[in-house]
Amino acid sequence: GENVEQHPSTLSVQEGDSAVIKCTYSDSASNYFPWYKQELGKRPQLIIDIRSNVGEKKDQRIAVTLNKTAKHFSLHITETQPEDSAVYFCAASLTGAGSYQLTFGKGTKLSVIP
Amino acid sequence: SQTIHQWPATLVQPVGSPLSLECTVEGTSNPNLYWYRQAAGRGLQLLFYSVGIGQISSEVPQNLSASRPQDRQFILSSKKLLLSDSGFYLCAWRETGMNTEAFFGQGTRLTVV
Repeated sequence: GENVEQHPSTLSVQEGDSAVIKCTYSDSASNYFPWYKQELGKRPQLIIDIRSNVGEKKDQRIAVTLNKTAKHFSLHITETQPEDSAVYFCAASLTGAGSYQLTFGKGTKLSVIP
Repeated sequence: SQTIHQWPATLVQPVGSPLSLECTVEGTSNPNLYWYRQAAGRGLQLLFYSVGIGQISSEVPQNLSASRPQDRQFILSSKKLLLSDSGFYLCAWRETGMNTEAFFGQGTRLTVV
C-alpha cells in the first residue's frame, strides 16, 4: 500500500516568516494530495488539496506544489501568524476499483512565535 | 448538507473491558467510511475502511474490529481493551468513487486504565 513520509516533525518560525512542510509518497498511482490542519484536541480539517494533473495551487497565504516525477509535494505558508500554529498532515490517495484509502503522513507540529 | 456524528467524545475504560464507538453520516449515500487512531503526539493511523455495507478492510492487525451494519453507520469494537488502545479515534467519510476531501467526526478520546 501507499506510504507517506512527512518532514519535519516539528517546525518553529517567527511570525511573518514562511513555513515549508515536505512530503513524499511511494505509489505512483496516487493522484490526490490533501493537506489537513489539526488544532489541539480538534478534528483535522482540509486547508488545501492538489490533484496530479496540477503542479501548483495557491489559496491566499497557502500554496501546495507537486512533483509527480519525484513523488513529492510540499505545503508553503507565507506571512505566518500565531493562529497558524497547529499540526499539519499531508495525505495521498490511492485510486483503483473500490479502493480509496487515504494515507496520512505523521504530521508536522508548527509553532509560530509572536 | 452532509454531517458526521461520532460518539462518545470521551471514554475511560478499564483494561479487558469491551469497546463500541459509533459513527453515522447524514446527507449522503454509500460513502466511503474510515476509522483512524491518533496516539498522543503522533500521526493518523488508518485502522479500517469500508466502501459498502458489510465490506471492511483492515490496515493494521490488532484486537480491534469494525462493522458497517447500515450504509451510513460505522462501528469500531473491541472485546477486550489493552492499555495500548488508548488514543484519539477519528471517524471520517468521503464521497464514493471520487478522490475528494475526507470529513472527520469530532473524535473520541479513549483512555484505557
